[in-house]
Amino acid sequence: NAGVTQTPKFQVLKTGQSMTLQCAQDMNHEYMSWYRQDPGMGLRLIHYSVGAGITDQGEVPNGYNVSRSTTEDFPLRLLSAAPSQTSVYFCASSYEQGITEAFFGQGTRLTVV
Amino acid sequence: AQSVAQPEDQVNVAEGNPLTVKCTYSVSGNPYLFWYVQYPNRGLQFLLKYITGDNLVKGSYGFEAEFNKSQTSFHLKKPSALVSDSALYFCAVRSNTGGFKTIFGAGTRLFVKA
Repeated sequence: NAGVTQTPKFQVLKTGQSMTLQCAQDMNHEYMSWYRQDPGMGLRLIHYSVGAGITDQGEVPNGYNVSRSTTEDFPLRLLSAAPSQTSVYFCASSYEQGITEAFFGQGTRLTVV
Repeated sequence: AQSVAQPEDQVNVAEGNPLTVKCTYSVSGNPYLFWYVQYPNRGLQFLLKYITGDNLVKGSYGFEAEFNKSQTSFHLKKPSALVSDSALYFCAVRSNTGGFKTIFGAGTRLFVKA
């Protein structure tokens, strides 16, 4: 039981490049979400999903896309990276929306130059 | 709209002394409230939650929190701090109505001095 696995752990991108941050969970959780963590701003919700095929926007969705084709995977795509997207990204999953606690991945530290 | 406020960027406490990390929230409907801890270069770990019932909830590592509906607060407490408690603490809230978003506060850094 690996929990929530994020890859890669570190990434450097040039402005304008695209990439996908991977997130997978093996706990059969329905609810998954992506956050970015910036100093002094805590965690801000980017996108979330309440089940396969269903996604919705969070607080800061611009510049990011998500999809949920399976229960296990919830990739986050940066379409055209910008320096403002330099951050630490966390994926989280939980069994029931809001009632049970979330399990977090180890994070992806992304730098856009 | 949901919101969470952690009014202190940093809390300093001596080892053995009680600690409090403050959290206030705003939601429509009834709140589901959570505390998480983050150690350096790690993801967040769950500490405790309030869903319903007793206002005082107990969690991992000797932490507890008190739900106060009239003050819309959910402060994290521990009777006797340890140096190993030094970390970044996040309060989070979700409403039981109108959506599935969990919103986090900005975080409070706790320093426990030996």
